[in-house]
Amino acid sequence: AAGVIQSPRHLIKEKRETATLKCYPIPRHDTVYWYQQGPGQDPQFLISFYEKMQSDKGSIPDRFSAQQFSDYHSELNMSSLELGDSALYFCASSLIAGTSAHIYNEQFFGPGTRLTVL
Amino acid sequence: GQQVMQIPQYQHVQEGEDFTTYCNSSTTLSNIQWYKQRPGGHPVFLIQLVKSGEVKKQKRLTFQFGEAKKNSSLHITATQTTDVGTYFCAGPMSGGGADGLTFGKGTHLIIQP
Repeated sequence: AAGVIQSPRHLIKEKRETATLKCYPIPRHDTVYWYQQGPGQDPQFLISFYEKMQSDKGSIPDRFSAQQFSDYHSELNMSSLELGDSALYFCASSLIAGTSAHIYNEQFFGPGTRLTVL
Repeated sequence: GQQVMQIPQYQHVQEGEDFTTYCNSSTTLSNIQWYKQRPGGHPVFLIQLVKSGEVKKQKRLTFQFGEAKKNSSLHITATQTTDVGTYFCAGPMSGGGADGLTFGKGTHLIIQP
């Protein structure tokens, strides 16, 4: 079965540089999420898109922006990189189902992009 | 903001012993999800509970959602070495379908053969 694809898998950048991470959700999934996971930490939600519109926002720094394109792939743009941005960045996708009473939205995570800022 | 607390942080068990991790939210949740992450891997969805008092089983795994929809537990019977990993509970930030998840800190399960 098709899974979430992320590229690149590894990225090394210098401080103050920019980075772009790409995510290709599972076909026919309508929602994309971005998470940041530091070493030994839990995933922290950054931002989500539903049907190409920004839906929810978490702890995403102002230096970061994201968008979802007409083909449903998403990109996370990171500028003025700092040492503390070094982390695993996961993209996840879901197909929202259910009713207003009970929403089912299991998230399928990609393999992640490991960003190292030197 | 919403907080999801999970205990214990680490659990060492002998292979064949049972394991339980507990999750508590500061707010009522519309649903709770459980994920497993192996070392070096990505979170893998295990289950989603949406109803008050719901109990679901997957082979040796039993998941419960509290009556008040603020707590949950995962119980593994007769652990195997393949169960090694970090188990996270996660709840939606507000309740909408496209909401991000707030994760607990996770319970690292270490199994001694």
